[in-house]
Amino acid sequence: DAKTTQPPSMDCAEGRAANLPCNHSTISGNEYVYWYRQIHSQGPQYIIHGLKNNETNEMASLIITEDRKSSTLILPHATLRDTAVYYCIVRVRSYNTDKLIFGTGTRLQVFP
Amino acid sequence: EPEVTQTPSHQVTQMGQEVILRCVPISNHLYFYWYRQILGQKVEFLVSFYNNEISEKSEIFDDQFSVERPDGSNFTLKIRSTKLEDSAMYFCASSNPGTGNQPQHFGDGTRLSIL
Repeated sequence: DAKTTQPPSMDCAEGRAANLPCNHSTISGNEYVYWYRQIHSQGPQYIIHGLKNNETNEMASLIITEDRKSSTLILPHATLRDTAVYYCIVRVRSYNTDKLIFGTGTRLQVFP
Repeated sequence: EPEVTQTPSHQVTQMGQEVILRCVPISNHLYFYWYRQILGQKVEFLVSFYNNEISEKSEIFDDQFSVERPDGSNFTLKIRSTKLEDSAMYFCASSNPGTGNQPQHFGDGTRLSIL
C-alpha cells in the first residue's frame, strides 16, 4: 500500500500558485518523498524529490515539514498544461528493492 | 533531454498469443523497471532489473511474464500467453545508480489490448 494520502482533487486558477498537500506520517528516516505527475494516459513524469530540506527546481518547489510527516508541492504559476494527476510517493528502497508505490494521487484541474 | 522510449505505442493481440513490449532506457542508466496501469486504476509495480537479473518482482509478475536485456540498449517485457486481464498500459522506467537518490524516468507506455 502507498504510504501517502492526498486529496482526490483540487482546482487552481491559471497564473496562481497550486499548492498540493501530502501526508506521509509513517515515513522512515532515510526514505525520500517523490512527486510525479501523469497527464492523461502518458507516462508518469518526474517533478521533484526531497529528504528533509526544501527543494526547488525549474518545475516546482517542495516544502517538507520539520517532522517529515507531510509535504507540499508548489507550482508557482499554474498553466492549463499543468492539469494532471499528481502523485506523492515515498520511495521504498533498500539493497534489494527499489520501487515506486503509486496511490490514487490528486487530480489538479487548472481553469482559465 | 534523454528519455525512455517504448515501442509500439499500441499493441493489439489475440488472447493466448505471446507479446513482447520493447523499451530503450536512458543510455547511462543501469536500473530498469516495468509498471502497468489498468484503465482507471493505479500505476502498479511489476518488476525491477539490475545487473542482468531480476532484483524484485510483484505478485502480478507470474510465470507468464519475463524480462530480458537482449543487447546493450533494449529492455523487453514478454507475456507468454496473454489473458484479457493483461489489457493495460505498460510503462518502462530506468534510473541511474549515481550519487544520492536518482529518480526513475518513465516512457510514455505501450497500450496493450487483448481481444
